[in-house]
Amino acid sequence: GAGVSQSPRYKVAKRGQDVALRCDPISGHVSLFWYQQALGQGPEFLTYFQNEAQLDKSGLPSDRFFAERPEGSVSTLKIQRTQQEDSAVYLCASSLGGRTYEQYFGPGTRLTVT
Amino acid sequence: GENVEQHPSTLSVQEGDSAVIKCTYSDSASNYFPWYKQELGKGPQLIIDIRSNVGEKKDQRIAVTLNKTAKHFSLHITETQPEDSAVYFCAASARGSTLGRLYFGRGTQLTVWP
Repeated sequence: GAGVSQSPRYKVAKRGQDVALRCDPISGHVSLFWYQQALGQGPEFLTYFQNEAQLDKSGLPSDRFFAERPEGSVSTLKIQRTQQEDSAVYLCASSLGGRTYEQYFGPGTRLTVT
Repeated sequence: GENVEQHPSTLSVQEGDSAVIKCTYSDSASNYFPWYKQELGKGPQLIIDIRSNVGEKKDQRIAVTLNKTAKHFSLHITETQPEDSAVYFCAASARGSTLGRLYFGRGTQLTVWP
């Protein structure tokens, strides 16, 4: 079956530009997570959705970061006025939810801010 | 919050040898411990996981052990093959209070020499 997909796979933005990153979770998965992975590091939590509700956004590094999942399926992570420190791989993961713990990751979007 | 430490950061083994990666965690509320394999340019792939009510779990050449008292868990790969070469991440999660967000270690670069 189809896994988690993300687009674009690569994005180059000039400093100050806005970007939007898309995540298509596995069909039927209730839970959706965004993580940020800096070079040579483990993924770090950004935000969590249960269906369309954003239940935890404590990991978002600044108010320039915004995420939404309006219909409980596709999610978009938006970064406004990008800065060089935003350069990283942005990973999306989905989970069935409920008593299911397993999270399945997409391939990520590599963002480079120049 | 939870803090996950992972060792070693790099590991080189000869094909056919065993590899062991160790992690410790700080939050006694953590009760789910997955391991992910990440190949270059790809997202993390779930390879095995363990819950806190189990001390050991095995899947073919891969096994994970958990010591709740000492707050550490380990990944064991036997009969290593060159295709096992990748970065491996351990993670911990406390279901319920943090809704499943994963806290990752910094990763172990495993190289298996033919």
